[in-house]
Amino acid sequence: DIQLTQSPSSLSASVGDRVTITCRASQNMDIYLNWYQQKPGKAPKLLIYAASSLQSGVPSRFSGSGSGTDFTLTISGLQPEDFATYFCQQSYNTPPWTFGQGTKVEIK
Amino acid sequence: EVQLVESGGNLVQPGGSLRLSCVASGFTFRTYQMTWVRQAPGKGLEWVSYISGSGSTIYYADSVKGRFTISRDNAKNSLYLQMDSLRAEDTAVYYCARFDILTGFDYWGQGTLVTVSS
Repeated sequence: DIQLTQSPSSLSASVGDRVTITCRASQNMDIYLNWYQQKPGKAPKLLIYAASSLQSGVPSRFSGSGSGTDFTLTISGLQPEDFATYFCQQSYNTPPWTFGQGTKVEIK
Repeated sequence: EVQLVESGGNLVQPGGSLRLSCVASGFTFRTYQMTWVRQAPGKGLEWVSYISGSGSTIYYADSVKGRFTISRDNAKNSLYLQMDSLRAEDTAVYYCARFDILTGFDYWGQGTLVTVSS
């Protein structure tokens, strides 16, 4: 099974900050890496798919990059509504399709 | 607008059974792959099961294989998860989610809570 390791597990940031979250895979996944945002009590929401493609309706301050084993989610200009938990997820090849452990973005 | 609405979550004793349902609208259900994903209280996300659009291909996570059964009724735009031999560690919010290899889990339901406890 492919293991995904996110870092950091949590971070504190201020409105307007640039935030970077990384996701490292245990094996090459090409670009089959997706990012989700989850707020308390709500379902996850797809932000980025195929490593760098922005899901329809998602603000352009969210961006993704990477391929192979190392991936990054960047939020350029953190907004109050962006405080949430972010998960990476791989859909490479056959299941199981696994998630990272999550990164909680909190207000500084 | 794509909508997925789950139901069927409840409190059940260990060893018991439960059937979850998910009704889809806003897209051509029969042409999409569907999945169940769960989240234990305060924990991360775990993919549980997958079914192809026609229902001919099915996968399960090792943690539920042999106990859970996924199915769909394309005439009713509905997805199901039959859960048998439930354990305390199956306690979680269960989400149905539309799936594609390239776009991942692109739409999710609101979730339904399953609690396994005596």
